[in-house]
Amino acid sequence: SQTIHQWPATLVQPVGSPLSLECTVEGTSNPNLYWYRQAAGRGLQLLFYSVGIGQISSEVPQNLSASRPQDRQFILSSKKLLLSDSGFYLCAWSRESNQPQHFGDGTRLSIL
Amino acid sequence: GNSVTQMEGPVTLSEEAFLTINCTYTATGYPSLFWYVQYPGEGLQLLLKATKADDKGSNKGFEATYRKETTSFHLEKGSVQVSDSAVYFCALSPNNNAGNMLTFGGGTRLMVKP
Repeated sequence: SQTIHQWPATLVQPVGSPLSLECTVEGTSNPNLYWYRQAAGRGLQLLFYSVGIGQISSEVPQNLSASRPQDRQFILSSKKLLLSDSGFYLCAWSRESNQPQHFGDGTRLSIL
Repeated sequence: GNSVTQMEGPVTLSEEAFLTINCTYTATGYPSLFWYVQYPGEGLQLLLKATKADDKGSNKGFEATYRKETTSFHLEKGSVQVSDSAVYFCALSPNNNAGNMLTFGGGTRLMVKP
């Protein structure tokens, strides 16, 4: 069966520090991969998606970037965090078009 | 573009009450429709789905019917439990080959009191 792992589960970082959140998927190959952000009490915002290694599409211009160095690895990064980067970050995968997305447990990021 | 509109919460019900969470969508063509549930402090879990008009998705006592004529996918449950307290997201996925881009509604928080 397929599983998705995100880490860390919780992160507290100072403003201006770098960020690296990692997401890996097991049990499938060539998945579509996604990063979402959920601000407190609000809906989901798609940040990035990837349909293959090295292929990243950005949905919203911002302080963040994403990379896919391996087929089942998706990394969310920032060189300098802003206060507005606080939120709940969710990674997801899907098998192909029209298939449901499956989410990780999320990373709660607090910027101080 | 595509959009999903959900009723604003929170929805507060007593245990064993009937639940309806409204969801309407705007999309071109024939999208697939989903309901996701997010329990406190967790990620989203797929609750149910429907891929074509008049399909009924069901799971854990929840149901939703894909109504193309009203562009709706309302979530219903006949008798809610305290354990159903969560945030519910309606979402659509366009049926094209440009990846699987979900558009989410804003979420509806359900609180069930014993």
